Amino acid sequence: AQTVTQSQPEMSVQEAETVTLSCTYDTSENNYYLFWYKQPPSRQMILVIRQEAYKQQNATENRFSVNFQKAAKSFSLKISDSQLGDTAMYFCAFREGTYKYIFGTGTRLKVLA
Amino acid sequence: NAGVTQTPKFQVLKTGQSMTLQCAQDMNHEYMSWYRQDPGMGLRLIHYSVGAGITDQGEVPNGYNVSRSTTEDFPLRLLSAAPSQTSVYFCASSFTGAGNQPQHFGDGTRLSIL
Repeated sequence: AQTVTQSQPEMSVQEAETVTLSCTYDTSENNYYLFWYKQPPSRQMILVIRQEAYKQQNATENRFSVNFQKAAKSFSLKISDSQLGDTAMYFCAFREGTYKYIFGTGTRLKVLA
Repeated sequence: NAGVTQTPKFQVLKTGQSMTLQCAQDMNHEYMSWYRQDPGMGLRLIHYSVGAGITDQGEVPNGYNVSRSTTEDFPLRLLSAAPSQTSVYFCASSFTGAGNQPQHFGDGTRLSIL
């Protein structure tokens, strides 16, 4: 069965600094998709970034980028120039050809002023 | 553009009561799903639907029913509420079930079972 592991329950970072959140997954499939979602205190789930497994190039969205290591089954999220508004719970999610998403347990990130 | 709308936002039930959590989307999305979020466990899929008239079970379906009579609506029914169903429930939708389609989430329903 597919699993998604986020080994860092909580992290903190100083404003303007860079932080990396880790995510590993387990699958026997070759084609799949990976996502990072952000959940601020408002509870809304917001897509941050996504990566197709067949693409070797790492996805980037403004201050957010991923380090996708397919052989290692690793999908980390890097947040550059951290802002107070980045304070949130971050979920890594995996999806293969089926209709089911598998979510990790989340990393609570706090950006410190 | 309303997106995914969930009602109610908060609800308290007594053990054994039944209720329906409503979910509606106005984006003509084929794929809709229900999750529950519990502390330390992330989001777990309860049921999902790939189109009107088609539903299937997710990871934790016991105690919940769904139906999809229209493209827009995907209600979740608790048949006989139990304290173990105390959770935050999220409805989500995407244009298709294709892998790279991100899901759009509602704002969640916080449900407490006494």
